[in-house]
Amino acid sequence: KQEVTQIPAALSVPEGENLVLNCSFTDSAIYNLQWFRQDPGKGLTSLLLIQSSQREQTSGRLNASLDKSSGRSTLYIAASQPGDSATYLCAVPFSGSARQLTFGSGTQLTVLP
Amino acid sequence: NAGVTQTPKFRVLKTGQSMTLLCAQDMNHEYMYWYRQDPGMGLRLIHYSVGEGTTAKGEVPDGYNVSRLKKQNFLLGLESAAPSQTSVYFCASSYSTRGEYEQYFGPGTRLTVT
Repeated sequence: KQEVTQIPAALSVPEGENLVLNCSFTDSAIYNLQWFRQDPGKGLTSLLLIQSSQREQTSGRLNASLDKSSGRSTLYIAASQPGDSATYLCAVPFSGSARQLTFGSGTQLTVLP
Repeated sequence: NAGVTQTPKFRVLKTGQSMTLLCAQDMNHEYMYWYRQDPGMGLRLIHYSVGEGTTAKGEVPDGYNVSRLKKQNFLLGLESAAPSQTSVYFCASSYSTRGEYEQYFGPGTRLTVT
């Protein structure tokens, strides 16, 4: 059964810092990995999707990497801003599936002005 | 283009009551999903659908039923609500062009069962 872990559970940084969020998964036979952002009381917004054949995806100040062999992904946020404060979740498909997702519990990020 | 919408946004039920949550998407996506989110447990898949008229169980299906009579709608039913079903419910939809299945989420329904 696929299990997804995100460490740390919470992170607080001053504005302007570069930071890394971590995601690990137990079954490396994945089709892809998706990073989401969730603001308090809101739904999830997809940030980046990395295919299993890719090692990195970039969108603006966000860069996600994927190392299937070690079962790890990182989300790098450059020059953090208070507006980046949210919970960040990673998700991978169920073992043997391409569609249903297993989620980590998330990292709650606070960027202090 | 509204994306994924959910109705209602909030609901309070008494134990034993029934209700239906409605999810609608206007992106012509084949696949739709229902998740619940609980503190400390992340999001867990309840049921999903790979097309109109088809549904399948996810990780935590007990106490829920679903129907996908139209491609754009996915309904989640609680026949006899229990306090353990107090949660935030999210609907999502996805499509695949190259096996990607990127998921798009609705804003959620906050359900309290007393």
